[in-house]
Amino acid sequence: QVQLQESGPGLVKPSETLSLTCTVSGGSISYDYWSWIRQPPGKGLEWIGYVYYSGSTNSNPSLKSRVTISVDTSKNQFALELRSVTAEDSAVYYCARYVPGGRDYNDYMDVWGTGTTVTVSS
Amino acid sequence: DIQMTQSPSTLSASVGDSVTITCRASQSIRSYLAWYQQKPGKAPKVLIYKASNLERGVPSRFSGSGSGTEFTLTISSLQPDDFATYYCQQYSSFVTFGGGTKVGIK
Repeated sequence: QVQLQESGPGLVKPSETLSLTCTVSGGSISYDYWSWIRQPPGKGLEWIGYVYYSGSTNSNPSLKSRVTISVDTSKNQFALELRSVTAEDSAVYYCARYVPGGRDYNDYMDVWGTGTTVTVSS
Repeated sequence: DIQMTQSPSTLSASVGDSVTITCRASQSIRSYLAWYQQKPGKAPKVLIYKASNLERGVPSRFSGSGSGTEFTLTISSLQPDDFATYYCQQYSSFVTFGGGTKVGIK
């Protein structure tokens, strides 16, 4: 079955760019929608954005100006960049798959990665 | 943006109890609501989709209901494995999560 694994630096300096990659295994990244979600320590879940295998994307209006999400079908990966980070961007970052055969990016997520902790600190 | 409000934020219950969690949307989301369970240090796991449909493999003691702006998740006979935090998520327009409900041991 499909599995997701996030990877990237665990520590990012303020004002720099957070970059994470999600690797999809056990299945193809094609024909599905993929998302990034984060969870600050002790807090709830925040949707960051999605990418379709074709490359179309959209993101949370509250983060849109700082977020880029991309896909590399040849590597079965998708990626997140978050620019100009502050301490408020410290969180566990999850990648997840929108349920296949659903409504597109307006749907729920059925497969999640284990999450990666990113701390923003100098 | 559609806002999701969960209540209560925490609740204490005993094994065998029936518990109900409520989720309210700031506008109608029809039945486009999912419920997730999250345990400490783990990713969320989907329990219910489209308000009342049980995800494959999820025990039947979990049930969901509602439409429009008000939804509930009920656990009919709480088991030790059910002590966790529960989140609702709307997907009528993009994705928004509720603030979560932590179910603890009384």
